[in-house]
Amino acid sequence: EAGVVQSPRYKIIEKKQPVAFWCNPISGHNTLYWYLQNLGQGPELLIRYENEEAVDDSQLPKDRFSAERLKGVDSTLKIQPAELGDSAVYLCASSLQQGNYNEQFFGPGTRLTVL
Amino acid sequence: AQSVTQLDSHVSVSEGTPVLLRCNYSSSYSPSLFWYVQHPNKGLQLLLKYTSAATLVKGINGFEAEFKKSETSFHLTKPSAHMSDAAEYFCVVKGYQKVTFGTGTKLQVIP
Repeated sequence: EAGVVQSPRYKIIEKKQPVAFWCNPISGHNTLYWYLQNLGQGPELLIRYENEEAVDDSQLPKDRFSAERLKGVDSTLKIQPAELGDSAVYLCASSLQQGNYNEQFFGPGTRLTVL
Repeated sequence: AQSVTQLDSHVSVSEGTPVLLRCNYSSSYSPSLFWYVQHPNKGLQLLLKYTSAATLVKGINGFEAEFKKSETSFHLTKPSAHMSDAAEYFCVVKGYQKVTFGTGTKLQVIP
């Protein structure tokens, strides 16, 4: 069974440019998460989806970040415009329907460098 | 409120000696607790999870963790470190609709 797929794996852009990341979760997983991980730190939640509904986006900087999960499967995270401080690894994870006991399965991440 | 504290940012052990990575948590609910491992340039992988069935939880690669409610701890242990265990380890608490990661402990294994 395929795991969580993310693309691209690496992205280098200049500041003020837009960038988008794509995630395909494990088949059958209703819950999808986007995390930001800075170097030497733990992942921080940006947004959580239950099917196509964003149920927790309280930590998403909505002035420049946006996300969508059309049809409740694939998801895209966008930054427009990117800033130097956005350089980080963006992780996507999925799990069975939200519940305390369901672990998250993580993709390999997209490493973003903003110059 | 919910939080998790990994007490050591770096731990260094010799190959073949025991490993102890410490984690303390706080939660207003009865939480689930997880340990994940992250090797360089790799995705996060689940080592083990506590879901209230048993306080001593066994995971992959010889790791185990003990849930101690009185101490609000969930420390990760392994009897004998292997070179391949060198990685970063994250303790995670999951309460009602909220997931919180610790800041991570980097494990170094010296040959």
